[in-house]
Amino acid sequence: AQTVTQSQPEMSVQEAETVTLSCTYDTSESNYYLFWYKQPPSRQMILVIRQEAYKQQNATENRFSVNFQKAAKSFSLKISDSQLGDTAMYFCAFMKDYGGATNKLIFGTGTLLAVQP
Amino acid sequence: GAVVSQHPSRVICKSGTSVKIECRSLDFQATTMFWYRQFPKKSLMLMATSNEGSKATYEQGVEKDKFLINHASLTLSTLTVTSAHPEDSSFYICSAPPGPNQPQHFGDGTRLSIL
Repeated sequence: AQTVTQSQPEMSVQEAETVTLSCTYDTSESNYYLFWYKQPPSRQMILVIRQEAYKQQNATENRFSVNFQKAAKSFSLKISDSQLGDTAMYFCAFMKDYGGATNKLIFGTGTLLAVQP
Repeated sequence: GAVVSQHPSRVICKSGTSVKIECRSLDFQATTMFWYRQFPKKSLMLMATSNEGSKATYEQGVEKDKFLINHASLTLSTLTVTSAHPEDSSFYICSAPPGPNQPQHFGDGTRLSIL
């Protein structure tokens, strides 16, 4: 069975600074996808970034980037130039690649990020 | 694109009432939808996978008769909490992928409070 671990329950960062959220996972699969979702106080789940395991290049989306280390099974999220609106719970998630079939997400326990003014 | 709408956003009702929550994919067809439950400051717990035209697949420990799921069309899945009690109070959220291996898009969730 796959597991996703987020070892930082809470983190804090000053506005405009950079912060990195950690995520590790355990799987015997070779093809899979990894995601970071953001859940602000409104509780809406928002996709931040996606990484395909077969791609060596780290995904980036504006101020958000990942450090994907497949051998180490590590998938950290870096937020640059942190903004007050980045304050949220961040969830790391894993999804197997069944070659076209829809599959479920496995979530980590989450990291509550507070951006301080 | 890929919008998922969930209704209602908030429900308050008496113990013993059955409550129905709807999850709709507005601009894509979803043969599969997912239902989650979330406690405050906790992660999302997958309850079941809703399959269009067939029975839902429930996760271990989730009562099938308590949480009824119906996926009668390619754009609508419903979760009915039957004979709800205070311990069923929680935040329920649905999701659907717009296609194979696509990221899931989430509804805005339903806050259920049973008095």
